[in-house]
This record gives sequence, structure tokens and C-alpha cells, in this order.
Amino acid sequence: GESVGLHLPTLSVQEGDNSIINCAYSNSASDYFIWYKQESGKGPQFIIDIRSNMDKRQGQRVTVLLNKTVKHLSLQIAATQPGDSAVYFCAETRGGKLIFGQGTELSVKP
Amino acid sequence: KAGVTQTPRYLIKTRGQQVTLSCSPISGHRSVSWYQQTPGQGLQFLFEYFSETQRNKGNFPGRFSGRQFSNSRSEMNVSTLELGDSALYLCASSLAGRVAEKLFFGSGTQLSVL
Repeated sequence: GESVGLHLPTLSVQEGDNSIINCAYSNSASDYFIWYKQESGKGPQFIIDIRSNMDKRQGQRVTVLLNKTVKHLSLQIAATQPGDSAVYFCAETRGGKLIFGQGTELSVKP
Repeated sequence: KAGVTQTPRYLIKTRGQQVTLSCSPISGHRSVSWYQQTPGQGLQFLFEYFSETQRNKGNFPGRFSGRQFSNSRSEMNVSTLELGDSALYLCASSLAGRVAEKLFFGSGTQLSVL
């Protein structure tokens, strides 16, 4: 099926450190990107989005960076907390639908 | 405001059977999308409905079908179940299903095919 690629399947960080989750996409025509967080037993939860006319967008403790030149998306989480432990998905709009990456599992060590 | 509701939460079926899953979107949302989630394939787009019409479809066989009712509630059906259909089926809703629009997901229906 269609999917957006991810660099790392797992990421382990120390509580309080910053986390960076990366994502590569293939369609240079994609104009909208979203990051979702999925905790065990739950559906994906919206974190932050960004349109292709932007390079950076900030939310509460999260920042998304978009590099259209190399088709790369990243999610930065500041001061990572145990509650941030989850699987994180990037997604891009392609052909009128939202295409998800494989996901990165973030594990926060106390 | 209630979130996206999916029923049932868990389902066990045997090969060859068929199954129907239900999704109630957030009140006021008119677009409903369905995704299949498996450990190996991740989140795969099944189809999207808006105003009772299928507007978009993913790369799944015809055994997978869906529909949307006038109140925006949606159902998806899988006929002649195969072992590989075991997955978490997620429903998501959005206001109008525009391209750059957030999807809100339900908790999913975990389907196990034996």
C-alpha cells in the first residue's frame, strides 16, 4: 500500500530531554502534513500540522519542521515526559487522501 | 462534544464469514474515512465518504465496502474474511473532508479472523 517513509522505527530518550522524530515523504506535490500520536489501545490523536508554504510551526512543547528541498519532515518534542511515550506517525495528503508513515515508537526513560 | 465512536470494540470471526463495523462521527462532521492498521503495513487508507457518496478509495479488494447514511454515520463491510484481514480498523471524521483538514479518529475495532 501507499505510505510515507520513516527513518527510525524506535526512539528512546531520557525524561526531560528533547526528542526529534524524522519522516521522509516522496511526493513533492504534497501540500499538507500532519503528525499524529497513538497510545496503546487508542486511535491516533492529532498533534500538529503544517502546510507546504511554511517551514516551521510551533505548538505547545512541539515543533514541526518542513524541508521541501529534501522532502523531510521532523517533529521536535521539548522536555519529553513519560506521557509522551507512544507511536508517532507523520502523514501527507496525496491524491485527496491522507497517507501515513509506518510510525516511530518513542520510549521515555525516567 | 462526543468524539468518534466505533462499535464493536473487539470482534472475532472465522474465515469465510463477513463482518460489519460501525462508526459515528463527531456531530457536524460530514466526512468519514476508514483505515486499516496492521503491525506490518501501518495505517492503510480504505475509503472516504462524504454526503453518502464514496469520494475516494484505497487499494483494497472489492471484499471491502462501505456506506454512509444521511446522518453521516458510516459502516464498513468485509465479506469472505481472510486471515490477513485481522487488523485494527479505524474510522476518522472531519468537517468537510477537504484536503488540508484534520482527521479525528475513533479508538477502532480490533478484528481477529481465526
